[in-house]
Amino acid sequence: DIQMTQSPSSVSASVGDRVTITCRASQGISSWLAWYQQKPGKAPKLLIYAASSLQSGVPSRFSGSGSGTDFTLTISSLQPEDFATYYCQQANSFPRTFGGGTKVEIK
Amino acid sequence: QVQLQESGPGLVKPSGTLSLTCAVSGGSISSSNWWSWVRQPPGKGLEWIGEIYHSGSTNYNPSLKSRVTISVDKSKNQFSLKLSSVTAADTAVYYCARDWDSSSRYGMDVWGQGTTVTVSS
Repeated sequence: DIQMTQSPSSVSASVGDRVTITCRASQGISSWLAWYQQKPGKAPKLLIYAASSLQSGVPSRFSGSGSGTDFTLTISSLQPEDFATYYCQQANSFPRTFGGGTKVEIK
Repeated sequence: QVQLQESGPGLVKPSGTLSLTCAVSGGSISSSNWWSWVRQPPGKGLEWIGEIYHSGSTNYNPSLKSRVTISVDKSKNQFSLKLSSVTAADTAVYYCARDWDSSSRYGMDVWGQGTTVTVSS
């Protein structure tokens, strides 16, 4: 299985801050990476697919980059509704695997 | 737009079989999508269980493969999950989701609200 390692596991930030989350794959996954946002008690929401493509309806302050083994999710200016947990997921091979999550908390 | 709704027992006895159904509305299960199950133990991260195409083709997580069956019922526009020989470790919120591309490589864009399943006697 491909292991997905996210860092940091949590981050405290203020509204307006730039936040960057990293995801590292244990082996190359090309650009087959998705990012999700999950709020407490809710299902995950797809933000980014194919490493850098913004899902329809997702604000442009979210962006993704990377290929191979190293990926980043950036929130350019954190908004109150962005406080949540973020997961990466590889879609290069089976089984699909998720990172452990990064919780974005209010500073 | 497509919506998904999970249903099934919220409590399953140890060694029993967990059975859940995901009803698809606003679209056809025979569209060019894979349909997935994902679970989340309390306070933990997400685990992919497996996926199915309307043709019946499946992909499973090897860690669960010996206990998992995912099936599709095109006449009812729904797909189902069965997990046998459950233990407390299978206690989780179970989500059904749609892979929005036929390659299943572009992420899951539609999710059910999730259903909590507790394994306990």
